[in-house]
Amino acid sequence: NAGVTQTPKFRVLKTGQSMTLLCAQDMNHEYMYWYRQDPGMGLRLIHYSVGEGTTAKGEVPDGYNVSRLKKQNFLLGLESAAPSQTSVYFCASSRAGNRQSLQPQHFGDGTRLSIL
Amino acid sequence: SQKIEQNSEALNIQEGKTATLTCNYTNYSPAYLQWYRQDPGRGPVFLLLIRENEKEKRKERLKVTFDTTLKQSLFHITASQPADSATYLCALDERDSSYKLIFGSGTRLLVRP
Repeated sequence: NAGVTQTPKFRVLKTGQSMTLLCAQDMNHEYMYWYRQDPGMGLRLIHYSVGEGTTAKGEVPDGYNVSRLKKQNFLLGLESAAPSQTSVYFCASSRAGNRQSLQPQHFGDGTRLSIL
Repeated sequence: SQKIEQNSEALNIQEGKTATLTCNYTNYSPAYLQWYRQDPGRGPVFLLLIRENEKEKRKERLKVTFDTTLKQSLFHITASQPADSATYLCALDERDSSYKLIFGSGTRLLVRP
């Protein structure tokens, strides 16, 4: 039972390069999320998806794009990497819920990204 | 906007004692509050959820309280063990959302043998 799998685990980029972070979940969850975690700032939501083919912006979406072509996968793209995007990126998923039946989020183990 | 305050200083306690971590929020009362555990190099793992109409929730050695008057949740680990050493994150629902969370920056717990 893999849960949420993120690839790669580590990556070093040069400023201006592009890359895609991959997230896959095997729990048939409807909702998926991308966060970044920086020291002292907690997890901040970048983008999220409430279903296949739909995405929405979170708190800090600038410089990132996402796609959810398949229910189990959620991709995060950096179009032109900047040093400010050096961070640890976490993907999470959850079952669909509502205000009366709220669902916890399940996280992957993160991608550590350094932009030089 | 909602802000979550967790003690940024590590909590250092002796094995066997009760650890108490605090989560304060500044704005609207959330419909629910969640606690997660995060180990170094790993993603957060869900521990407990408590709803606004619940005062207390327990799971084995864990206990969470929720006081909407004080705008505060307390997270207790009784009979703490070195294996409980980790960072503990508090998360609240974003207003009117059934799926978006706002996370605190977490408090690191160190349990000495």
